[in-house]
Amino acid sequence: GAVVSQHPSWVICKSGTSVKIECRSLDFQATTMFWYRQFPKQSLMLMATSNEGSKATYEQGVEKDKFLINHASLTLSTLTVTSAHPEDSSFYICSATGLAGGFSYNEQFFGPGTRLTVL
Amino acid sequence: RKEVEQDPGPFNVPEGATVAFNCTYSNSASQSFFWYRQDCRKEPKLLMSVYSSGNEDGRFTAQLNRASQYISLLIRDSKLSDSATYLCVVSSGSARQLTFGSGTQLTVLP
Repeated sequence: GAVVSQHPSWVICKSGTSVKIECRSLDFQATTMFWYRQFPKQSLMLMATSNEGSKATYEQGVEKDKFLINHASLTLSTLTVTSAHPEDSSFYICSATGLAGGFSYNEQFFGPGTRLTVL
Repeated sequence: RKEVEQDPGPFNVPEGATVAFNCTYSNSASQSFFWYRQDCRKEPKLLMSVYSSGNEDGRFTAQLNRASQYISLLIRDSKLSDSATYLCVVSSGSARQLTFGSGTQLTVLP
């Protein structure tokens, strides 16, 4: 199966700093990547969808100026949480779908997630 | 009303028990249905897709009732390693837009 990595796996930062999370597809071309957020005991909530080379599409209620998404290549998408505050503390998970060997996946492959704690 | 609703549990069952999870979804245009498993502090992993005819994978059986907009997962002969949160997931088209339920927590006790 396809592999998606995320870095870092966890991060602790002070309020007001910016944090960048990387999501990489290791063995396929990720034409579409998704960013989710999960608060304790809640479901994964889709934040945004990004297609390679295009601007991300944000879900209602997600501030695009606060959560900057870049998907400049077929293997890498980044999420930057700008001026993070304690309420941004959450589990951020990316997923990707796309192409491998001419075959188009009909499944999302999830990264291992990044746990962000803002003090 | 949530798009995908699940009983949050927790379900605490002894090893070897049979346990069933239910899920309802509100979007009648939904086309694809899945069960994912999520371990504590980990990413969700696809357990199985759910088809209208019902499908089975070893000890796991999934069923879909489109008329009632209802999905179920049955786990037979439960193992300790089945302890996890089970997420009901619905898609309105391809895998490009997934809507997750909040999950049902299962603990299998020795």
